[in-house]
Amino acid sequence: GAGVSQSPSNKVTEKGKDVELRCDPISGHTALYWYRQRLGQGLEFLIYFQGNSAPDKSGLPSDRFSAERTGESVSTLTIQRTQQEDSAVYLCASSLYGGSDYGYTFGSGTRLTVV
Amino acid sequence: TQLLEQSPQFLSIQEGENLTVYCNSSSVFSSLQWYRQEPGEGPVLLVTVVTGGEVKKLKRLTFQFGDARKDSSLHITAAQPGDTGLYLCAGLDYKLSFGAGTTVTVRA
Repeated sequence: GAGVSQSPSNKVTEKGKDVELRCDPISGHTALYWYRQRLGQGLEFLIYFQGNSAPDKSGLPSDRFSAERTGESVSTLTIQRTQQEDSAVYLCASSLYGGSDYGYTFGSGTRLTVV
Repeated sequence: TQLLEQSPQFLSIQEGENLTVYCNSSSVFSSLQWYRQEPGEGPVLLVTVVTGGEVKKLKRLTFQFGDARKDSSLHITAAQPGDTGLYLCAGLDYKLSFGAGTTVTVRA
C-alpha cells in the first residue's frame, strides 16, 4: 500500500486480557519496527524485523510481549495478560532495509488503553 | 538509558519568533534524523544528516550536525502555528533510537 497501516486505531481492553495489534508495512520494505510511546514521551524501541526474522527484540519489556512477521509483510504484536502500565500508543514503522538513511515511514499507531 | 537528550522539553513562542531545539548524544551514530509528530499521527521524517559539520535547510528550518556527529540542532525562523508539534531527534545504526522530544507550541 501507499503507507503503513495499523489496526485497530484504538483498543480498550480489560486488565488481564490478551490483545493483538496489526501492522501492514509498505510493500517492498524489508525492515519493520515496533515502538511504544507513552503520553508526551519519545519513542521506546520494542523489536526489529529484517524479513521475517527478528535480530533485535531487546526492547520487549517482558515475556508477556511477543511479535511475529509473515515474510516481508504483516506483523502482529501480542500482549498477553495486559496490565495498566501497558497503556500507550504502539507505533509500527517500515523502511527499505535496516539502517536505511531514507528514514522510516510510520503508521498512525494503535492507542491501547487497559482499564 | 536515554542515548539522546533533547532540550528544551517544552517551548512556547509567539508567531514570527525564532526557536532552536537541541539534541545531544552520548554515542556516535551513522546518521541522525529529525522527525515531527502531530497528535494522533506517527512521526514524519524531516531530514537526515550524515556528515559532521553538515548544515541542511528546508525552507524556514535549518538543521546542523556537530563536527563530532554527537549533537544536532534544529532552528526554525519566523515560526508559524503550523510548526506546532513534537520534534524528535533519532540516531541511526540499524535501528532508530529516539530522544524524548521537544513539544513546540506556536501561538498565533
